[in-house]
Amino acid sequence: RKEVEQDPGPFNVPEGATVAFNCTYSNSASQSFFWYRQDCRKEPKLLMSVYSSGNEDGRFTAQLNRASQYISLLIRDSKLSDSATYLCVVNFYTGRRALTFGSGTRLQVQP
Amino acid sequence: DAGITQSPRHKVTETGTPVTLRCHQTENHRYMYWYRQDPGHGLRLIHYSYGVKDTDKGEVSDGYSVSRSKTEDFLLTLESATSSQTSVYFCAISESAAEGGNTIYFGEGSWLTVV
Repeated sequence: RKEVEQDPGPFNVPEGATVAFNCTYSNSASQSFFWYRQDCRKEPKLLMSVYSSGNEDGRFTAQLNRASQYISLLIRDSKLSDSATYLCVVNFYTGRRALTFGSGTRLQVQP
Repeated sequence: DAGITQSPRHKVTETGTPVTLRCHQTENHRYMYWYRQDPGHGLRLIHYSYGVKDTDKGEVSDGYSVSRSKTEDFLLTLESATSSQTSVYFCAISESAAEGGNTIYFGEGSWLTVV
């Protein structure tokens, strides 16, 4: 079982739609959580951190459910420019000085 | 954008040849990382560095070595390239340990094909 699992998609949604991605992680001792965005043939870039109480940044809302060990990303009012792959990233407190990345969920927003 | 430059950006090499990828940063960040990204596997850590001459292995370090003689440069070497090392390689940096929740920034990637 992968440490961080995501539905690879693609999620094909029309402009203006609301779409949600989930990500599950295997280690209950995980410390911190992030969503990164990666455009085709580009480097990943931080979209937002995920806090225990949930957090919002404009049209993006991130939620953390520690009991069920998943995080989610909600995108409201989807734009064509939101088309990308969204990577779930988890810090496992194993002493390893790096983060563990999911394989990503691809979103395609259609006109 | 973070000042990270990877070179070469694209390379085709033959099986058995050595290859070195270079990562150069202008941010003076302490931590540097090499990841590879393959379909279905996501980004996997190869090696990382937590200071000049201080490096450690990641989860897929076999067949790779690294060196960091200056804060700004982190080199990844494939001693004898194999077709399984065909991949996209990303360098990343962070000011403090990524495990502490500090943001890591990625370079633009190096596309390596081993034929």
